[in-house]
Amino acid sequence: QKEVEQDPGPLSVPEGAIVSLNCTYSNSAFQYFMWYRQYSRKGPELLMYTYSSGNKEDGRFTAQVDKSSKYISLFIRDSQPSDSATYLCAMTMNTGFQKLVFGTGTRLLVSP
Amino acid sequence: GAVVSQHPSWVICKSGTSVKIECRSLDFQATTMFWYRQFPKQSLMLMATSNEGSKATYEQGVEKDKFLINHASLTLSTLTVTSAHPEDSSFYICSASFGNTGELFFGEGSRLTVL
Repeated sequence: QKEVEQDPGPLSVPEGAIVSLNCTYSNSAFQYFMWYRQYSRKGPELLMYTYSSGNKEDGRFTAQVDKSSKYISLFIRDSQPSDSATYLCAMTMNTGFQKLVFGTGTRLLVSP
Repeated sequence: GAVVSQHPSWVICKSGTSVKIECRSLDFQATTMFWYRQFPKQSLMLMATSNEGSKATYEQGVEKDKFLINHASLTLSTLTVTSAHPEDSSFYICSASFGNTGELFFGEGSRLTVL
């Protein structure tokens, strides 16, 4: 079993839709959770970083962590074509960004 | 945000040859850099942690004699794939740790194809 499971997609939605991206994990020692966005031929860039269970909001993005279910989500409101990218979840047991364990990434396509 | 540059973006080589990939932090000094590998339809997997001026720390299952890492300055780490074979064909990506939070900034990746 992989430590982090993420549906690779692609996930296709129309512009303006609410997008839900999810990851599940098996290691209860993971404490820090991140979402990265990766455009084609670019490196991943950090979108959201959370520590505790609950929600964290940043503009159109909301990260949700449920440690009891070992489940994290990223919601994108009012999705735009420019949101089309691959979204990777990542997590670690350590403070900071050491030894990240990544999901496979979900490819999101937002059509105009 | 901080910028990390990786070179080359893609490389094709013959089996048995060695390939060097460079990772540079352009506008900050990075005492720690990380090297990842990604096979098709799989996750980014951490290969090694590179610390400036000291030996790299390799993850379990990664051959240190095959994947030579040098972090000779605060802005440059190199990964050399020695005696490359087709199974080493993969996407290699580096990241550098920045600032007090240690947030990672990633390079654009290098796609290696070994014929």
